[in-house]
Amino acid sequence: NAGVTQTPKFQVLKTGQSMTLQCAQDMNHEYMSWYRQDPGMGLRLIHYSVGAGITDQGEVPNGYNVSRSTTEDFPLRLLSAAPSQTSVYFCASSYGGAGNQPQHFGDGTRLSIL
Amino acid sequence: KQEVTQIPAALSVPEGENLVLNCSFTDSAIYNLQWFRQDPGKGLTSLLLIQSSQREQTSGRLNASLDKSSGRSTLYIAASQPGDSATYLCAVNPGANNLFFGTGTRLTVIP
Repeated sequence: NAGVTQTPKFQVLKTGQSMTLQCAQDMNHEYMSWYRQDPGMGLRLIHYSVGAGITDQGEVPNGYNVSRSTTEDFPLRLLSAAPSQTSVYFCASSYGGAGNQPQHFGDGTRLSIL
Repeated sequence: KQEVTQIPAALSVPEGENLVLNCSFTDSAIYNLQWFRQDPGKGLTSLLLIQSSQREQTSGRLNASLDKSSGRSTLYIAASQPGDSATYLCAVNPGANNLFFGTGTRLTVIP
């Protein structure tokens, strides 16, 4: 049982480059989300989805795009990477909404923007 | 905006000791609160979820309490073990599709 799988685990980008962080879950969860974790700050919600074809913005959505074409996958796109986007990115999933059920997290993608 | 605070930021205890981790939040209008564990280089693992109507939840050596009116939750760990060493995070759900996280308490249990 894989749970929530994130790829890549590490990535270094140059300012202005674009890339997609992948997230897949095999638990048939309706709810999926992306968080970023920065030193000295709690995790902050970037975007979330309550089901295939439905996405919405979280607390810090600027500079990121998402789509949800299938239940299993929820990729996060950085359109034009900036040093301020250096962070650890976590994908999470659950049945129901964000707080109704325990959230299952992936192991994260550590992203550095030079 | 909901603010979640965890004090202390770091804690070291000898093996076998009972300990309490604290979490406070500024807006008492929450649906529930979750405690998570995060190991270095890993994602978060959900430990306990307390609904706003509940006072506490227990799982093994862990007991989480919630006092919504005062904006506080505690995570009690009994008979601590070196394997409990990790960062513990609390998160509150205000009812929307978002969780507001604290910055965590880094626990070290010394053998």
